[in-house]
Amino acid sequence: GNSVTQMEGPVTLSEEAFLTINCTYTATGYPSLFWYVQYPGEGLQLLLKATKADDKGSNKGFEATYRKETTSFHLEKGSVQVSDSAVYFCALSVREYGNKLVFGAGTILRVKS
Amino acid sequence: DAGVIQSPRHEVTEMGQEVTLRCKPISGHNSLFWYRQTMMRGLELLIYFNNNVPIDDSGMPEDRFSAKMPNASFSTLKIQPSEPRDSAVYFCASSAGGDQETQYFGPGTRLLVL
Repeated sequence: GNSVTQMEGPVTLSEEAFLTINCTYTATGYPSLFWYVQYPGEGLQLLLKATKADDKGSNKGFEATYRKETTSFHLEKGSVQVSDSAVYFCALSVREYGNKLVFGAGTILRVKS
Repeated sequence: DAGVIQSPRHEVTEMGQEVTLRCKPISGHNSLFWYRQTMMRGLELLIYFNNNVPIDDSGMPEDRFSAKMPNASFSTLKIQPSEPRDSAVYFCASSAGGDQETQYFGPGTRLLVL
C-alpha cells in the first residue's frame, strides 16, 4: 500500500538554526511527493512538491529532494524563523490511485527567539 | 482570488443533532475532497468527488455520514445523528483538472459534539 512516515515531533529550534524533518514513503506506482504546512488555526497550504526522482522542490527557503533510491523526501531549511512555527505534513499521491493524497502524521515545529 | 470557503467555521452541537458542513471550492476546480483531522488519527480522507460525482467514499466512517455535491460550486457533509466522537476539524479541499495533484485547503470547520 501507500504510506508516509515522518519524524515525530515536536521539534524545537532556536531562531536561525538549521532544520531537517525526515520523511520516507512506501508507494505502489510512481508517486508525486509534497510538503504541506499548517499554521495555527488554519487549513493546510502547499509548501513545495516534486514529481519525479532527483527533482528538488523549493519555496520560502525550504527545500526537499525526491530520492527514489532511499524513498525519502526530507524537508530542510538553512535558517528558521519564529514565523516558521507550524505543523509540517509530508504527503504522496499516485496517479493510478486517483491522485488521493496520503499524509504522514505531521511534525510540530516550534522556533524560539 | 477567493480560496476554498467553508462554513461554519465553528459548530457546537449536542449529541443526536444533525450537523451540516458546507464547502465552496475554488472556481474552475473539478475535484473536491473532504478530510477529518483529529489528534488521535491525524488527517483522514473521507470522500472525494470528481466533476460532482463521488469517486471514493471508502473513508466515510459509517452510515451517519453522507456527502453531496449538487453542482460544481457547492458541497455538503452531513452527520446525522452526531456523536461526541465526531468532534474534529473537517477540511474541504479542491484541485483543478490541469494539476489534479495539488490540493487547496479551506480553513476548516471545528466541530464539537457535546
